[in-house]
Amino acid sequence: GAGVSQSPSNKVTEKGKDVELRCDPISGHTALYWYRQSLGQGLEFLIYFQGNSAPDKSGLPSDRFSAERTGGSVSTLTIQRTQQEDSAVYLCASSSDSLFATNEKLFFGSGTQLSVL
Amino acid sequence: SQKIEQNSEALNIQEGKTATLTCNYTNYSPAYLQWYRQDPGRGPVFLLLIRENEKEKRKERLKVTFDTTLKQSLFHITASQPADSATYLCASPGNTGKLIFGQGTTLQVKP
Repeated sequence: GAGVSQSPSNKVTEKGKDVELRCDPISGHTALYWYRQSLGQGLEFLIYFQGNSAPDKSGLPSDRFSAERTGGSVSTLTIQRTQQEDSAVYLCASSSDSLFATNEKLFFGSGTQLSVL
Repeated sequence: SQKIEQNSEALNIQEGKTATLTCNYTNYSPAYLQWYRQDPGRGPVFLLLIRENEKEKRKERLKVTFDTTLKQSLFHITASQPADSATYLCASPGNTGKLIFGQGTTLQVKP
């Protein structure tokens, strides 16, 4: 597609439920990133994919968080047993190659606003 | 740990003046720094990249400097306009390929 697409744009869920957030990167982009942004805060790194593998998943806050990427394209971030502190905007970004290697810039989606009641 | 810090206080300036935002990094030496703009309800948008061997980079009314001695980057918007009002984020690569972001500085340009 023309840009990074995230769905849903808004998700309201009850505490304890599982949620799945989807990211569709720009076609051909090999690197994909998930960040979390709480109200008025900066971007907190969660996980980074190069192709289908995740060289760095150090930012995942707990084992309730997991992410996968299949076919080197779409990625899903899953949060199990959601807690109120999980409420935030979850941003996905992609780049055409590894930032470490080529000084590439990130293209962001508009994010999923997650509200846990 | 690798850290990027920006002034979390909002910056309020009058239209036509130059806005200057600061980004400081500690505990590492990034090969480059990037600046992004974020509007409410949207994802960040890339503005400029400056490499460690570049002192200054310009793009239209934007200017970025990179001082490796001070471990600091300055981001300038000249002849500022109300449409420049947004949050500006500084970012640099960590040692595992991820991009580390500062908390951002909100700029408000008043007409």
